[in-house]
Amino acid sequence: GAVVSQHPSWVICKSGTSVKIECRSLDFQATTMFWYRQFPKQSLMLMATSNEGSKATYEQGVEKDKFLINHASLTLSTLTVTSAHPEDSSFYICSAILRTAAGGGTQYFGPGTRLTVL
Amino acid sequence: GENVEQHPSTLSVQEGDSAVIKCTYSDSASNYFPWYKQELGKRPQLIIDIRSNVGEKKDQRIAVTLNKTAKHFSLHITETQPEDSAVYFCAASRTNAGKSTFGDGTTLTVKP
Repeated sequence: GAVVSQHPSWVICKSGTSVKIECRSLDFQATTMFWYRQFPKQSLMLMATSNEGSKATYEQGVEKDKFLINHASLTLSTLTVTSAHPEDSSFYICSAILRTAAGGGTQYFGPGTRLTVL
Repeated sequence: GENVEQHPSTLSVQEGDSAVIKCTYSDSASNYFPWYKQELGKRPQLIIDIRSNVGEKKDQRIAVTLNKTAKHFSLHITETQPEDSAVYFCAASRTNAGKSTFGDGTTLTVKP
């Protein structure tokens, strides 16, 4: 159990186009999901917290108009990279919180999406 | 905000030896400290975690210690095996359902 999927696993697009990445919790409901960006051989940088039914909370320095996040259901969050440029090329990973009855939770990661902007 | 520092950045050990990775954090309100293992091209996976009300936790060959006063925690892997080779990340957060700040990662190589 507790599987998180991402689609697509990789995408190549032209500069100026928009790309949508989906993150799904397959066997549990997640009111909270996170979006990270990971550069080669570097750590996970939190971009935003995605909350079901409300606006995402962005980390400092992350452009909310460039990285649009929508969490319309308890099993799906989407990240849209608008007007993508080569510097947006990266590995994007989502995670979903599986909450426990006690109110805590465990973070499960998706497999990531490799975005290459030409 | 929270700042997590992780050392060393790379670690090479001989199979069967122990490996220790250390992290420090800055936010005294942090209460949850997970460790993740990320193999090349794969997703991070939780291997062990510790909460602030516990000083040590062990799971077979893996153990984590926490010194809340000094704001540091460590991952200990004993009897290392080649399949332990991966990048390990520590993280800190205020709750186990909240956002985490990650360390920069440690690339562990276990030589057979």
